[in-house]
Amino acid sequence: KNEVEQSPQNLTAQEGEFITINCSYSVGISALHWLQQHPGGGIVSLFMLSSGKKKHGRLIATINIQEKHSSLHITASHPRDSAVYICAAPSSGGGADGLTFGKGTHLIIQP
Amino acid sequence: GAVVSQHPSRVICKSGTSVKIECRSLDFQATTMFWYRQFPKQSLMLMATSNEGSKATYEQGVEKDKFLINHASLTLSTLTVTSAHPEDSSFYICSAGHMETQYFGPGTRLLVL
Repeated sequence: KNEVEQSPQNLTAQEGEFITINCSYSVGISALHWLQQHPGGGIVSLFMLSSGKKKHGRLIATINIQEKHSSLHITASHPRDSAVYICAAPSSGGGADGLTFGKGTHLIIQP
Repeated sequence: GAVVSQHPSRVICKSGTSVKIECRSLDFQATTMFWYRQFPKQSLMLMATSNEGSKATYEQGVEKDKFLINHASLTLSTLTVTSAHPEDSSFYICSAGHMETQYFGPGTRLLVL
């Protein structure tokens, strides 16, 4: 079963700073998910990526399949980016599997 | 984009009662849906995989007789928490598989008194 580790667990930064959240996993996967969870609990899927890099607005996700590592970057961070960011990988590696989640990174962006 | 709904969004019930949570894929068909739960300050954990037309597959430690899952159609899976107890209070969230990704419902917050 996949083990997913995230770092840091908590991150406080000033508005405008470049943010990096890291994720590593133990079992080779078809794709990795980055999710955002707001205080109310609702989850938004940010990215699903299987190789290389994806960009959406100020968010960038990269993955290195060989090293089993992914990063989520936020450029020009803003207080509205404050949330918990979670990476998740298929439990047994395959695309049809349920996900194993990291513990999340609690991000606070101060004005 | 693909949308998954959950109902209800919040439920408060008395200990011993049963609660049904619905997960629907609104604009796509999902042969597989997943149920997760999240206890306060903990990460999401997979409870079970719901397969349309067949029995659900439960993760180790999840009681199948307590958490009944029915996936009777390609757009609907239900999770029934039977004889709920305060320790079942949690955030329950479903996801539906589509085009090799998963789309998440908004979640159901269950409080058992």
